Amino acid sequence: KAGVTQTPRYLIKTRGQQVTLSCSPISGHRSVSWYQQTPGQGLQFLFEYFSETQRNKGNFPGRFSGRQFSNSRSEMNVSTLELGDSALYLCASSGLAGGSHETQYFGPGTRLLVL
Amino acid sequence: DQQVKQNSPSLSVQEGRISILNCDYTNSMFDYFLWYKKYPAEGPTFLISISSIKDKNEDGRFTVFLNKSAKHLSLHIVPSQPGDSAVYFCAASGIGGTSYGKLTFGQGTILTVHP
Repeated sequence: KAGVTQTPRYLIKTRGQQVTLSCSPISGHRSVSWYQQTPGQGLQFLFEYFSETQRNKGNFPGRFSGRQFSNSRSEMNVSTLELGDSALYLCASSGLAGGSHETQYFGPGTRLLVL
Repeated sequence: DQQVKQNSPSLSVQEGRISILNCDYTNSMFDYFLWYKKYPAEGPTFLISISSIKDKNEDGRFTVFLNKSAKHLSLHIVPSQPGDSAVYFCAASGIGGTSYGKLTFGQGTILTVHP
């Protein structure tokens, strides 16, 4: 099976712009989670989508949003970019419908640099 | 409030010896624990997991031990190989709606295995 794919891999934006990142989960997986990794905060949970519905959300401002399509592909959007949004954005997918005992498989990430 | 802690930022081991990576957690609602390995600019790769109903799980050279009363888990790698050099993350998930798709990560331990 192909793994989780993320596009683009690298992105440079300027403050105030918006950005959309894309994630394709492992075939058959219905849950997609997004994380932000920074040197200072480590890996932080952004949100999770299952069957096109956001089921869980981390502690991030409303500038961070996402959606999931009927084929389970997901996008996340960051509006009004700030310098502090520079990070590695990781997407992970899992196959089960429940909330426990799910192993998440990660994509390679999108490296976002905000200037 | 860091609910998952990896107190050793780095660990250096000789090839062929045992590597022991440690992780502590504070949230008693966590019931599933995972270890991931990560190289720079890549997504985390799943290594091994353990449910709270077990105290040990083995997969090849990797063994995870869970001590629920101490809220402590450890990853043993035997024998260690130079290719094991990477950052290792401990992660935890819980039960219920607020845990859907959410892994809480430690800060990571950099493992260096010397030939």
